[in-house]
Amino acid sequence: DQQVKQNSPSLSVQEGRISILNCDYTNSMFDYFLWYKKYPAEGPTFLISISSIKDKNEDGRFTVFLNKSAKHLSLHIVPSQPGDSAVYFCAASAQSTGNQFYFGTGTSLTVIP
Amino acid sequence: DGGITQSPKYLFRKEGQNVTLSCEQNLNHDAMYWYRQDPGQGLRLIYYSQIVNDFQKGDIAEGYSVSREKKESFPLTVTSAQKNPTAFYLCASSLGQGGKQYFGPGTRLTVT
Repeated sequence: DQQVKQNSPSLSVQEGRISILNCDYTNSMFDYFLWYKKYPAEGPTFLISISSIKDKNEDGRFTVFLNKSAKHLSLHIVPSQPGDSAVYFCAASAQSTGNQFYFGTGTSLTVIP
Repeated sequence: DGGITQSPKYLFRKEGQNVTLSCEQNLNHDAMYWYRQDPGQGLRLIYYSQIVNDFQKGDIAEGYSVSREKKESFPLTVTSAQKNPTAFYLCASSLGQGGKQYFGPGTRLTVT
């Protein structure tokens, strides 16, 4: 049973515009969330994280928003650049119990120049 | 340079053979993990280890085995019992249990 879901397999955005990638989870015990970026045939690289005590975390062009009541998080990339084209995974864990991370299925972002 | 190395990048084996994938880290991380990725799917946890000489099964451990004799190394053996071994395998490590994970470049295993 998929505890972390990314319902959009792909997303295309014009360069300079905002990219919004969404992620939903089912386990209310999850309290730590991460976004990873992955290029083909490479390992994922960490982008940004957020813990459940916050509802927003920002790092440069990347902002993650967490809505605990809706069990939803989103990653905003502004402005989008062609180099952002990759697959983005969200991951969640119940850090308080040191449990494993559960990953979504990924969203492939294409930024069109 | 600190990081995680996986070798080889591509691996080909005949059905029925066991194969061992290497994962080494020099980040001084306690925890290490093995995932597999299949097309259209997220990363699924095979095994993880929080300390040397200890490891736990993940969601899809059947047909796999691991060892953790050294802090730096966490090799994964794909046995002949694994029904669908062809996949992209990713190793990761984290400073502690539940911490941010750093990934290696992956090994693509093809079994024919």
